[in-house]
Amino acid sequence: EAGVAQSPRYKIIEKRQSVAFWCNPISGHATLYWYQQILGQGPKLLIQFQNNGVVDDSQLPKDRFSAERLKGVDSTLKIQPAKLEDSAVYLCASSLVRSRDGRRGGTQYFGPGTRLLVL
Amino acid sequence: AQTVTQSQPEMSVQEAETVTLSCTYDTSENNYYLFWYKQPPSRQMILVIRQEAYKQQNATENRFSVNFQKAAKSFSLKISDSQLGDTAMYFCAFRNGGATNKLIFGTGTLLAVQP
Repeated sequence: EAGVAQSPRYKIIEKRQSVAFWCNPISGHATLYWYQQILGQGPKLLIQFQNNGVVDDSQLPKDRFSAERLKGVDSTLKIQPAKLEDSAVYLCASSLVRSRDGRRGGTQYFGPGTRLLVL
Repeated sequence: AQTVTQSQPEMSVQEAETVTLSCTYDTSENNYYLFWYKQPPSRQMILVIRQEAYKQQNATENRFSVNFQKAAKSFSLKISDSQLGDTAMYFCAFRNGGATNKLIFGTGTLLAVQP
């Protein structure tokens, strides 16, 4: 079974530029997550989709970050304009809607991440 | 709000020995899940083990086991027969049983397995 795919793996941009990241979840996983991991910290959820609807975007800086999952499969995360503090690894994860015990929320599987450096 | 605390920024263990990583959490929920994830230098976050709060039995996965103390809100990870490939950052994570599946991570413990 193919895992979560992300691209690009690395990106270097200057502040105030725009950047976009792409994620393809595990086949059949209706729920998709974007996390931001700043160096030395644990990942922090930016946005969660179920199919093409947003479940939680409470920690997404909406003045500069946007995300979409138009067809309920692939997703893109965009930053415009980027700031120095956006330098981080952006992780995409996916899960089934329900876990194997039938309860809400399956185990999340992560992609390799995109490392962003803003100069 | 839920929080996850990992008080050991770094740990070291000799190959073939046993090591325990600590994690405590704070929540008022009764239905939740706890996880340990491993993040090797390649950055791929890999699930190590999962514990459902409603289960009293501690989860085990081969050389990995947990000590889940619900009343104390403690969730430690024991790695037996440590191998060089276990060298990685280990994150403890919490998820409540509600509609949002947001994982709340600790700050991680960097484990180095020495030959």
